[in-house]
Amino acid sequence: DAMVIQNPRYQVTQFGKPVTLSCSQTLNHNVMYWYQQKSSQAPKLLFHYYDKDFNNEADTPDNFQSRRPNTSFCFLDIRSPGLGDAAMYLCATSRDQGGYTFGSGTRLTVV
Amino acid sequence: AQSVTQPDIHITVSEGASLELRCNYSYGATPYLFWYVQSPGQGLQLLLKYFSGDTLVQGIKGFEAEFKRSQSSFNLRKPSVHWSDAAEYFCAVGPSGGTYKYIFGTGTRLKVLA
Repeated sequence: DAMVIQNPRYQVTQFGKPVTLSCSQTLNHNVMYWYQQKSSQAPKLLFHYYDKDFNNEADTPDNFQSRRPNTSFCFLDIRSPGLGDAAMYLCATSRDQGGYTFGSGTRLTVV
Repeated sequence: AQSVTQPDIHITVSEGASLELRCNYSYGATPYLFWYVQSPGQGLQLLLKYFSGDTLVQGIKGFEAEFKRSQSSFNLRKPSVHWSDAAEYFCAVGPSGGTYKYIFGTGTRLKVLA
């Protein structure tokens, strides 16, 4: 089945230690998104790629970066995780404006 | 400014009872509208979407939603709730600012009593 896969499902990292979360898709969607979701809150968009074009949200901290080496993969890099970065990170894809397909998310814990 | 409001943070219903979750939006034109469901520790799953046409939209798991332009609403309904429907429900509207982004409401947490 075509889908969006996030790895790992759970990630524990140390305060200040760089961490990378990955997302892959078999839908051949041209847009990929990264959302941060804290407990009992709506998902918050960090950035998205339209094809190779990177679009950062104005309030996304510089600590967060992203890479999209090809259509299928997208990575979220957190350069120096703080305790406030503990959250669920959701990857989503879309074909232009056709609505999102979400992955199952990566739960990040910072210790 | 574009926005979406889900007025109910928590809703509790008995199993077998009917359900309506409210979603109101502010948007300059006819928006694309979505309802997603999120089980604990999981990603969001699309329940249904409205782009145009028939204002009553059928989705998965027995859900439906009705787009009412005059009320700027897109309420989600189910005639008979099952215990497995307990989850968080998000309404989304867009696209936002001429991009491919959607705005999410703050969610409604549904509890189902046996």
